[in-house]
Amino acid sequence: RKEVEQDPGPFNVPEGATVAFNCTYSNSASQSFFWYRQDCRKEPKLLMSVYSSGNEDGRFTAQLNRASQYISLLIRDSKLSDSATYLCAVKKGDYKLSFGAGTTVTVRA
Amino acid sequence: DAEITQSPRHKITETGRQVTLACHQTWNHNNMFWYRQDLGHGLRLIHYSYGVHDTNKGEVSDGYSVSRSNTEDLPLTLESAASSQTSVYFCASSESGSGAKNIQYFGAGTRLSVL
Repeated sequence: RKEVEQDPGPFNVPEGATVAFNCTYSNSASQSFFWYRQDCRKEPKLLMSVYSSGNEDGRFTAQLNRASQYISLLIRDSKLSDSATYLCAVKKGDYKLSFGAGTTVTVRA
Repeated sequence: DAEITQSPRHKITETGRQVTLACHQTWNHNNMFWYRQDLGHGLRLIHYSYGVHDTNKGEVSDGYSVSRSNTEDLPLTLESAASSQTSVYFCASSESGSGAKNIQYFGAGTRLSVL
């Protein structure tokens, strides 16, 4: 089983729609979780950290479910500019992160 | 502004040649990482370092080496390039600590083709 797994998608949604997807992780002792955004052929950039109580940043909401070992990302009121691949990252060991392979989101006009 | 830079951005080489990819960060971060990204595999860790003179193997370290002689730089060397090492390579750095300090910041990547 991979340490971090994501539904690769693609999720193809119209502008203004809500899209949500999950990321499962295998290590129950993991303490830090992150969502990164990666545009085609570019470097991953931090979108948001995921806190145990859940957190929101504008149209983006991240949730952590420790019991079922997954994190989720919800995007409300999707914009064309939200089209990207979203990588989840889970702390592994001291300072390493284990990354999922990414979920591709395409927002259409 | 502090940043992390990789060079070259694109590289074409031949099998068997030694290649070195540079990574330089100005955040004074202790931790530095090298990943490769291939379709279907996501980011895979090659080597990492938690400080000067510290280096560690990641999950796909065969055929690669790193050295850390100062805080700012972690060059990645392909000892004898192979076609299987054709990939996009990302360098990242982070602080030491917990929580948000585990955030890794990435360079723009090096696209390497081994012919």
